[in-house]
Amino acid sequence: DQQVKQNSPSLSVQEGRISILNCDYTNSMFDYFLWYKKYPAEGPTFLISISSIKDKNEDGRFTVFLNKSAKHLSLHIVPSQPGDSAVYFCAASGIGNEKLTFGTGTRLTIIP
Amino acid sequence: KAGVTQTPRYLIKTRGQQVTLSCSPISGHRSVSWYQQTPGQGLQFLFEYFSETQRNKGNFPGRFSGRQFSNSRSEMNVSTLELGDSALYLCASKGAQSANSPLHFGNGTRLTVT
Repeated sequence: DQQVKQNSPSLSVQEGRISILNCDYTNSMFDYFLWYKKYPAEGPTFLISISSIKDKNEDGRFTVFLNKSAKHLSLHIVPSQPGDSAVYFCAASGIGNEKLTFGTGTRLTIIP
Repeated sequence: KAGVTQTPRYLIKTRGQQVTLSCSPISGHRSVSWYQQTPGQGLQFLFEYFSETQRNKGNFPGRFSGRQFSNSRSEMNVSTLELGDSALYLCASKGAQSANSPLHFGNGTRLTVT
């Protein structure tokens, strides 16, 4: 039972354009959502998070949008840079629960 | 501030053996979690420790166990290794300041079971 889904295994975007990564979840008890970036042979690196009381959070080139009614979140990267090429995971946790449930990841490739 | 440190980085073991992985969290972090990453299953939660107590446990068999010491360092043990245990094992730590704060991951231990 995949409670967090990333339906696009891969995405290619031209350098300088916007990258949009999507994530859907099924568990209505999730109230905290995160995006991580992962390079090969390294652990995931935290990018940005959002709690369920918000619908948008921005940090530099990264913006996360949360649509609770659709149980959908997205990560926007503007402008995309070659160093953004990595696997991106979305993750979610419930109230008072330290366990993160991860999606299966989207491999983002930025084309110079 | 030093990040999460995991040792060793790579391990090769034979079926039936046991293995112990080590994790040192970020200084001041008292919560330590372990995750297994495999190509087919993504990142799966193993367990989480806080102040030497296991607070959460994932859906893994009893062959997977862990512990946390008084200095917050943690170890994970897998007994009677199976081929399917080959994976990247990731440790993460978290400060206790806020319920909604991110996990910070180490670079993992790559375990290969032959």
